Amino acid sequence: GAVVSQHPSRVICKSGTSVKIECRSLDFQATTMFWYRQFPKQSLMLMATSNEGSKATYEQGVEKDKFLINHASLTLSTLTVTSAHPEDSSFYICSTTGTGDRYTFGSGTRLTVV
Amino acid sequence: DAKTTQPPSMDCAEGRAANLPCNHSTISGNEYVYWYRQIHSQGPQYIIHGLKNNETNEMASLIITEDRKSSTLILPHATLRDTAVYYCIVRPPTNSGYALNFGKGTSLLVTP
Repeated sequence: GAVVSQHPSRVICKSGTSVKIECRSLDFQATTMFWYRQFPKQSLMLMATSNEGSKATYEQGVEKDKFLINHASLTLSTLTVTSAHPEDSSFYICSTTGTGDRYTFGSGTRLTVV
Repeated sequence: DAKTTQPPSMDCAEGRAANLPCNHSTISGNEYVYWYRQIHSQGPQYIIHGLKNNETNEMASLIITEDRKSSTLILPHATLRDTAVYYCIVRPPTNSGYALNFGKGTSLLVTP
């Protein structure tokens, strides 16, 4: 089945710095990638949808200048959290439609901003 | 999107069947029912999906009522590793631009 590799799995950064999260589709071409975040004891919330070669579409309330998404190739999408603050600490997860009707998810990135 | 309603939590003894219900009374005729689970600090894992017929795979069985307003996910012999949050999601037919919308799910605890 489709495999999505997400890195890093954990990252701790200082407030004000930027962090990049990568998601790679290993065995298929990911035309579309979805980015979610999940706060403790809450469900996954969709942040944005990215399509290869075009600008991402952000959900209401998600700052596009803070969460930069790049989907320059069919196998790589990145999410950069710019000028991170403690309230950005969360679990970030990518997903793509993969093959058939199944959605494949990355293993997630635990971001802690100190 | 059709909304889904699931109990917030359930317990199940190891080795017994776990039956997780989901109500989706506003489901449209062409919408599928998907089940995913999320083990703590991991990405969601696909379990099974169906349209109107019951489905079975190596992980679970999915029973959809005839009126399609509810469904039940069955884990036939639950193990401790099945402890996770289970999400029932309704979505239209395959569309690569359509994200899955997660509700609160059911937190299943499998006990020894």
